[in-house]
Amino acid sequence: AQSVTQLGSHVSVSEGALVLLRCNYSSSVPPYLFWYVQYPNQGLQLLLKYTSAATLVKGINGFEAEFKKSETSFHLTKPSAHMSDAAEYFCAVSRSGGYQKVTFGTGTKLQVIP
Amino acid sequence: GAVVSQHPSRVICKSGTSVKIECRSLDFQATTMFWYRQFPKQSLMLMATSNEGSKATYEQGVEKDKFLINHASLTLSTLTVTSAHPEDSSFYICSAQELYQETQYFGPGTRLLVL
Repeated sequence: AQSVTQLGSHVSVSEGALVLLRCNYSSSVPPYLFWYVQYPNQGLQLLLKYTSAATLVKGINGFEAEFKKSETSFHLTKPSAHMSDAAEYFCAVSRSGGYQKVTFGTGTKLQVIP
Repeated sequence: GAVVSQHPSRVICKSGTSVKIECRSLDFQATTMFWYRQFPKQSLMLMATSNEGSKATYEQGVEKDKFLINHASLTLSTLTVTSAHPEDSSFYICSAQELYQETQYFGPGTRLLVL
């Protein structure tokens, strides 16, 4: 079984401040990990993914995440928040290999304060 | 690349009618497609997984006779909500995955409102 826990359903940061969205996973086998972003009334857009290569993964829009096996974490960060980053962010986990079911976290809504 | 479209983006229907939602992979061949349902302020819940040319695999608790899934080609999957009721109102999102790839690419979603 696999699962992800996103700490904090809502996170508020000031524009220009560090963004940190937390994700912890549980998996009995080596996982693949993903971060997706969802804007209102839209589908999900892939930000970045970890698939057992480099543990520090860089994604689009200046986001990055670090896979820490010892902490079973995959936190998402961005050095400087922009107003356009306001959205809902989902962490997700799947087993390694193709066609694996993806399990999503409950999401974190990011608010950016001007 | 890796664009997935859904049609319609929004549909309103009367209770008891059936609604078909299309999911298309525009620039790749989707050997596997997934259908999710998302309630307001909640995460995505997987409804079913379909492989091209095969019957869909439904998650526990999802009525296969109510949510008919067809994946007849490598670029198209359809979800038909049969005899829709107000409790079926939701945001339905599909995703598509290419052979041997680990990433699912998501469509923009379809908002269904059953009156």
